[in-house]
Amino acid sequence: KAGVTQTPRYLIKTRGQQVTLSCSPISGHRSVSWYQQTPGQGLQFLFEYFSETQRNKGNFPGRFSGRQFSNSRSEMNVSTLELGDSALYLCASSLGGQLQETQYFGPGTRLLVL
Amino acid sequence: AQSVTQLGSHVSVSEGALVLLRCNYSSSVPPYLFWYVQYPNQGLQLLLKYTSAATLVKGINGFEAEFKKSETSFHLTKPSAHMSDAAEYFCAVSERGGSYIPTFGRGTSLIVHP
Repeated sequence: KAGVTQTPRYLIKTRGQQVTLSCSPISGHRSVSWYQQTPGQGLQFLFEYFSETQRNKGNFPGRFSGRQFSNSRSEMNVSTLELGDSALYLCASSLGGQLQETQYFGPGTRLLVL
Repeated sequence: AQSVTQLGSHVSVSEGALVLLRCNYSSSVPPYLFWYVQYPNQGLQLLLKYTSAATLVKGINGFEAEFKKSETSFHLTKPSAHMSDAAEYFCAVSERGGSYIPTFGRGTSLIVHP
C-alpha cells in the first residue's frame, strides 16, 4: 500500500499570500488530521476530517481552514500568511479516527514565509 | 485535560548503551499512549502504543515501553543503542472518553555517539 503523500514538499511564500497544501491518505483511510510542527511550539493539532466533515479542531485562528473530498483526500488552506506560519505541516491518516488507532504520517510540507 | 511531559529535550548515549526516554502524562483516566519517531526530513512513524492490554508494550526496532499507572509514566527503552536510532522521539496521549485531539510531548532528540 502506498503511504500518505503530501504535496508540495516545500513552499516559499511571502506575507499576506495564501497557500493550499494537499494530502492523500492511505487507501481505505477515512480520517485525515493536520498538524503544525515548529521548533518553538512542537507538534500542534490543527483539525481532523472524517467522511468530508470536520470532526475536531485545534486552537488555531480562522485563517487556517481545511476540507476533505469524497475520496478522503484533504487540503488545508492558510490565508493572509504571517511569518509565524513558517513550519512543517504534517498530515496523518487513520482508518476510522478512533482514539486508539495508529496514525500514519506523511513526510510533511515545509512552508517558509518571507 | 490531558497533557504529556517529556523530560529532557536531548538525550545522549553511546552506541551499545541503554536508551531511556522519559514520558509522564496527566489524565483523569488511564489514556491511550503512543511513542512516535521522526527521522530528519520525514514524518512521524509509530514505534508502539498502549491501549490497555499488557502494560509492557513491545514495538519496532527493539524498543519497548512500560505503562505504570502509579507513576503516570510511559518511558521508552531500548537495551542497546544503534547509530540508526538517532532521531526525534515523541510521546503522545489520547484520553479515553475524550475528543480525538491527541496531545504530543515536545519531543526528545536522541543523540548516539560511536
